Amino acid sequence: EAGVTQFPSHSVIEKGQTVTLRCDPISGHDNLYWYRRVMGKEIKFLLHFVKESKQDESGMPNNRFLAERTGGTYSTLKVQPAELEDSGVYFCASSQGTALTGAFGSGTRLTVV
Amino acid sequence: AQSVTQLGSHVSVSEGALVLLRCNYSSSVPPYLFWYVQYPNQGLQLLLKYTTGATLVKGINGFEAEFKKSETSFHLTKPSAHMSDAAEYFCAVSDGENTDKLIFGTGTRLQVFP
Repeated sequence: EAGVTQFPSHSVIEKGQTVTLRCDPISGHDNLYWYRRVMGKEIKFLLHFVKESKQDESGMPNNRFLAERTGGTYSTLKVQPAELEDSGVYFCASSQGTALTGAFGSGTRLTVV
Repeated sequence: AQSVTQLGSHVSVSEGALVLLRCNYSSSVPPYLFWYVQYPNQGLQLLLKYTTGATLVKGINGFEAEFKKSETSFHLTKPSAHMSDAAEYFCAVSDGENTDKLIFGTGTRLQVFP
């Protein structure tokens, strides 16, 4: 069984540009989560999809971030326009049922210069 | 609001020595507690979790953690460190019944010296 896959693994963009991160969850997992770790700080929740619906987006920093999950399969997280403070590692996780059991992707390291 | 505190951003031990990584939490409801590990260039991997029942939880790779409600702690231990244990470890809490959302600590980087 393939795990959670994230693309790209690294991205370096200039301030003001747009970047789109992608997450492919484990097949059949209805729950999909995005988290972010800014350097040296804790991993913070961004949002939670159940299938294609946003269940909880309380962690999204501001309206420069847009997450979608069309068709309830893969998800994208777009940052537009990117700012320096958006740099960090973005993790995606998926689960079926409750109590997340830890299927995380390897993350996308975003650097905004 | 829930929170997690990991004491010590870096811990160094000799190979064969005891590993102790500390985690304290705050939660207004019975917590679900987790330890994750991140090896270099890899994703987060679940080591173990506590939901209900037995307070001593055994995980993968010889790690275990004990839920102590009176101390609001969930420290991670391993009797004998191995070089391959070098990684970053994260403690996390959720309120389980209401959400799968995890609140993470800031992480502890474990170094193992020969």
